Amino acid sequence: GQNIDQPTEMTATEGAIVQINCTYQTSGFNGLFWYQQHAGEAPTFLSYNVLDGLEEKGRFSSFLSRSKGYSYLLLKELQMKDSASYLCAVRDINNNNDMRFGAGTRLTVKP
Amino acid sequence: DTEVTQTPKHLVMGMTNKKSLKCEQHMGHRAMYWYKQKAKKPPELMFVYSYEKLSINESVPSRFSPECPNSSLLNLHLHALQPEDSALYLCASSQERTGGSYGYTFGSGTRLTVV
Repeated sequence: GQNIDQPTEMTATEGAIVQINCTYQTSGFNGLFWYQQHAGEAPTFLSYNVLDGLEEKGRFSSFLSRSKGYSYLLLKELQMKDSASYLCAVRDINNNNDMRFGAGTRLTVKP
Repeated sequence: DTEVTQTPKHLVMGMTNKKSLKCEQHMGHRAMYWYKQKAKKPPELMFVYSYEKLSINESVPSRFSPECPNSSLLNLHLHALQPEDSALYLCASSQERTGGSYGYTFGSGTRLTVV
């Protein structure tokens, strides 16, 4: 099976930087995804990591360490609209390559 | 067209009703998925279709019945549901079963309430 762990809630200030961590255990790691989900809406794709290192996309960056089973999503220059849940999802080649989601981290950005 | 369209957006049904959720994509994706999401919980995989064939059923109760009429459409037929089945039902699609480097494209979901 897979265990995917994320903090339940985080709070940060507008304009600041926040790091959301994700740890996972899989038998056949084949990629890690970060999704953003506003309440009652569909998850939207943010980033993908399959090799170790940092992937940068504008204000968002995602880091992966396969040996540690660890990833983080870094959000810079926080805006109020960034208040949402952030879901870490792992694809496992030994699990039909299907994507399994962590419980998500609910981020609240305050003025 | 880079969207997954789900209808209806909201549905209220009684426990004796029969209803269907619909999902459509025109991106040429060959894999489609149904997820169930309860409030403040992650999406849980229910069904996967790959090339219009059901390739996985995550031990979902038979009161949920999927159907894939063609490569662009995915339905979820509902019958004799329970109040605990109330949730957001998300449809997703991907180029292939593996999802590539973009993962899945999700629809905006159907908010289902069973009364």
